[in-house]
Amino acid sequence: EPEVTQTPSHQVTQMGQEVILRCVPISNHLYFYWYRQILGQKVEFLVSFYNNEISEKSEIFDDQFSVERPDGSNFTLKIRSTKLEDSAMYFCASSSGTRSTGELFFGEGSRLTVL
Amino acid sequence: AQSVSQHNHHVILSEAASLELGCNYSYGGTVNLFWYVQYPGQHLQLLLKYFSGDPLVKGIKGFEAEFIKSKFSFNLRKPSVQWSDTAEYFCAVNPNQAGTALIFGKGTTLSVSS
Repeated sequence: EPEVTQTPSHQVTQMGQEVILRCVPISNHLYFYWYRQILGQKVEFLVSFYNNEISEKSEIFDDQFSVERPDGSNFTLKIRSTKLEDSAMYFCASSSGTRSTGELFFGEGSRLTVL
Repeated sequence: AQSVSQHNHHVILSEAASLELGCNYSYGGTVNLFWYVQYPGQHLQLLLKYFSGDPLVKGIKGFEAEFIKSKFSFNLRKPSVQWSDTAEYFCAVNPNQAGTALIFGKGTTLSVSS
């Protein structure tokens, strides 16, 4: 069964450092998403991406964040200068985007720890 | 703006007890509704989904949910829980449009004792 894969599974970084989280969505999917889950809190939407541009973003997704699809398979989330409060589990998801489904398929997450 | 409310933060049950987790959403248009489950240390997995048709939907592992449009609700039920159902349960909604993001509720932690 096709799946969304994410790397790294866990990254520890110093405050102020740049971090790139990588995702390989399901190959025939057209919409890509990043969500985060701070420990003990709900899953929060960050950004969605379609046709090589951002289609939606939340208030959380400020200028410190950026997304890119550098080639035909990877989808990356970059945090330019990490803050302590960026510590969270980051989930990538993808969907086929058809109106009749709307289902998102999630990766296993990348745990980011900012010290 | 859309929002999803899950009223139960933590539910504790014994095995074989019945389960109902509440979910209400706010959105004026046609929506897709989902329940996702997150087992300890694992990623989000789809339990069931509703797009249209029969408002009572059945998912994996004996779970079902009923969409009541007049109440903007999509409650999750299971007649007899097992210890292996211990997990975090998230209700989610997105408008019935291509590629829209899911908005999640805060989640309900279910603890089942054997």
